[in-house]
Amino acid sequence: GAVVSQHPSRVICKSGTSVKIECRSLDFQATTMFWYRQFPKQSLMLMATSNEGSKATYEQGVEKDKFLINHASLTLSTLTVTSAHPEDSSFYICSARSVEGAGEKLFFGSGTQLSVL
Amino acid sequence: QKEVEQDPGPLSVPEGAIVSLNCTYSNSAFQYFMWYRQYSRKGPELLMYTYSSGNKEDGRFTAQVDKSSKYISLFIRDSQPSDSATYLCAMRKGTSYGKLTFGQGTILTVHP
Repeated sequence: GAVVSQHPSRVICKSGTSVKIECRSLDFQATTMFWYRQFPKQSLMLMATSNEGSKATYEQGVEKDKFLINHASLTLSTLTVTSAHPEDSSFYICSARSVEGAGEKLFFGSGTQLSVL
Repeated sequence: QKEVEQDPGPLSVPEGAIVSLNCTYSNSAFQYFMWYRQYSRKGPELLMYTYSSGNKEDGRFTAQVDKSSKYISLFIRDSQPSDSATYLCAMRKGTSYGKLTFGQGTILTVHP
């Protein structure tokens, strides 16, 4: 099946620093990627929709200046958490939509556990 | 009120048991329903995808949708220890392809 690679899998950083998370579709082109966040014992919450070559669309309550999303190619989207604070500590997961073939083809990365000290 | 409600469990069953997982939802605009399996610190993996009310079967898994009651279920027959994971229901509206609303997830443990 299709593979979505997410890197890094775990990152620990100091408060005030920025962290970049990469999401790559390895064997298909993804015109659209999605970024989710999951706090402990809570459901995955959609943060933003990333479209190749255009600005990301953010969900209500998500600060676009804090969570910078870049989707510069059909296989790569990045999420940068700027000036990270302890409350940003969470599990971040990307998903990529494949438009090849028919049906619902949405593939998830393995996630990034961010811990801000 | 959350749009999607799912009992987080944990649920513990013996090997071979039939497992029943459920979600309720409040937004009648949801039209597509999915079940994902998520192992610890891994991304969700799609198990079942349904659109209409009724049953859909795939191997040991059966997904059931009742749109009139806003209730979906996943049944796992002959459960195996390898089925131990978190099961997430997810759903989306007709025009919001890929924008999923997830339940909290149910932690399932199948013990030998």
